Amino acid sequence: QLVLTQSPSVSASLGASVTVTCTLSSGHSNYAIAWHQQQPEKGPRHLMKLNSAGGHIKGAGIPDRFSGSSSGTERYLTISSLQSEDEADYYCQTWDSGIVVFGGGTKVTVL
Amino acid sequence: EVQLVESGGGVVQPGGSLRLSCGASGFMFSNFWMSWVRQAPGRGLEWVAHIKEDGSEKYYVDSVKGRFTISRENAKNSLYLQMNSLRAEDTAVYYCTKYSSNWYSDYWGPGTQVIVSS
Repeated sequence: QLVLTQSPSVSASLGASVTVTCTLSSGHSNYAIAWHQQQPEKGPRHLMKLNSAGGHIKGAGIPDRFSGSSSGTERYLTISSLQSEDEADYYCQTWDSGIVVFGGGTKVTVL
Repeated sequence: EVQLVESGGGVVQPGGSLRLSCGASGFMFSNFWMSWVRQAPGRGLEWVAHIKEDGSEKYYVDSVKGRFTISRENAKNSLYLQMNSLRAEDTAVYYCTKYSSNWYSDYWGPGTQVIVSS
């Protein structure tokens, strides 16, 4: 069964870097995912598509501070030079055989 | 500029029906799969359904099968979600999304609120 697992929360200081992790279920290490950001009281915004080799394609207007990488069944979103507007929920998404799956989301808090 | 705008949300009693619409602009609507994603209060994102470019293929999350119907009208650049037999657990903000060449959402609408309550 295709499942995406995310830790509920992570925090980092203003100007620092933070990494959000999305883990694919066993047997799905070659799957690509997408990352989305949801700021408070707003709809989601697509950040990037990330493949199993770590290659990523960013959405329109996404700053260079956002990058992605991969290792095995783990997919990472790294935010560098953290800014106050980066405080948001981050969701990973993947797809297979007619269905789409979202991770539970990770809340990033900027200290 | 890609724009997606949902409408049709509101308050409905359990067992009732509602039809959501999504107007699309800024891209060739007929060339892309489209989807509906929802978010219950205080919860994460949940994929609801998606539809192929020409409407010939449709897929649904198990919890809405037999109750919800996704459709599209390419001539009007519009996506729809007919929701019947609504339950309290269908209460959520419903987002219309455009897919890229793969099945991930590269653009999202602002959402429309659906509240199922007596």
